[in-house]
Amino acid sequence: KQEVTQIPAALSVPEGENLVLNCSFTDSAIYNLQWFRQDPGKGLTSLLLIQSSQREQTSGRLNASLDKSSGRSTLYIAASQPGDSATYLCAAYTGTASKLTFGTGTRLQVTL
Amino acid sequence: GAVVSQHPSWVICKSGTSVKIECRSLDFQATTMFWYRQFPKQSLMLMATSNEGSKATYEQGVEKDKFLINHASLTLSTLTVTSAHPEDSSFYICSAPRGGSLHTEAFFGQGTRLTVV
Repeated sequence: KQEVTQIPAALSVPEGENLVLNCSFTDSAIYNLQWFRQDPGKGLTSLLLIQSSQREQTSGRLNASLDKSSGRSTLYIAASQPGDSATYLCAAYTGTASKLTFGTGTRLQVTL
Repeated sequence: GAVVSQHPSWVICKSGTSVKIECRSLDFQATTMFWYRQFPKQSLMLMATSNEGSKATYEQGVEKDKFLINHASLTLSTLTVTSAHPEDSSFYICSAPRGGSLHTEAFFGQGTRLTVV
């Protein structure tokens, strides 16, 4: 059974800092891994999707990496802004289970 | 990105009544949609997979008679919480992968906050 863990559970940083969010998964036989952002009381916004054959994806200030063999993915946010404050979720798609398994999320606060 | 619209965004209902939540894919056809439940400060738990033109597939522990799912068209899936009770109060979110499979990017609705009083 796939288990996805995110560390840290919460993070507070001052504006302008670069930061890294971590996601680990127990079953390395994934098809892809997706990073999402969730604002309080809202749905999920897709940030980046990394296929199993890829090592990283970039979108603006965001860069996500994937290391299947070690069961890890990281989301790097450059030059953080207060508007980046949200909960960040990673989710792994495991073909054998045919479903997304979500991590517990990292609650990020970027302060002025 | 693709747009998935969920309605209503919040609903309050009395115990014993039923509530219907709609999930629409606005700019693509979705043969498969997914329904999740999220408790406060917890992650998303998959409830069921909605399949267009056929029965939904429910996750273990989810009562199919209580959470009725209908996927009558390629752009609409509905979740009906029947005979709702306070313990059903939660945040419900639907998802649709553009390509019909989770090999492709998954897009999510805005979520529905259900409060049963």
